[in-house]
Amino acid sequence: KQEVTQIPAALSVPEGENLVLNCSFTDSAIYNLQWFRQDPGKGLTSLLLIQSSQREQTSGRLNASLDKSSGRSTLYIAASQPGDSATYLCAVDNYGQNFVFGPGTRLSVLP
Amino acid sequence: DAGVIQSPRHEVTEMGQEVTLRCKPISGHNSLFWYRQTMMRGLELLIYFNNNVPIDDSGMPEDRFSAKMPNASFSTLKIQPSEPRDSAVYFCASSSPGGNSGGASYNEQFFGPGTRLTVL
Repeated sequence: KQEVTQIPAALSVPEGENLVLNCSFTDSAIYNLQWFRQDPGKGLTSLLLIQSSQREQTSGRLNASLDKSSGRSTLYIAASQPGDSATYLCAVDNYGQNFVFGPGTRLSVLP
Repeated sequence: DAGVIQSPRHEVTEMGQEVTLRCKPISGHNSLFWYRQTMMRGLELLIYFNNNVPIDDSGMPEDRFSAKMPNASFSTLKIQPSEPRDSAVYFCASSSPGGNSGGASYNEQFFGPGTRLTVL
């Protein structure tokens, strides 16, 4: 059974810092991995999707990497801003058999 | 496109009542997912459809839950009878075609704003 964990559970940084969020999964036979952000009381917004054949994806200040063999993905946020404050979740797609979400990392960027 | 649309946004009901949640996926998307989010259990996949056909309902907690997708632009999640432990935020998501035949799409999932359900 696929299990997804995220470290740290919460993170507080001053504005301008570069930071890394971690996602680990136990079954490396994944189809893709997707990173989302969720603002309090809101739905999920897709940030990046990495297919199993890819190693990384970039969008603006965000860069996500994937290492299937080690069961890890990282989300790198450059030059963090207060507007980046949210909960960040990763989710893995096990070839359509199930979609499993991690518990999320709650990020606070202090001005 | 308006994105994934869910209704109602908030629902407060009493134990034992029937609850129906509605979802309209993004036009052209052929996969639709229902999730439940609670503080204790996080986000859980309940069921997903591909081309209006339920593919995996193993996440549906019990027989009180049922989901239908009568056409490509509409899905419902029904709870009958509802119980206080069903209180949660229910999300619907959709994704565009691709991936393995009969399986879920490998493309990005787009989420609706959710329905916050409170069962008293």
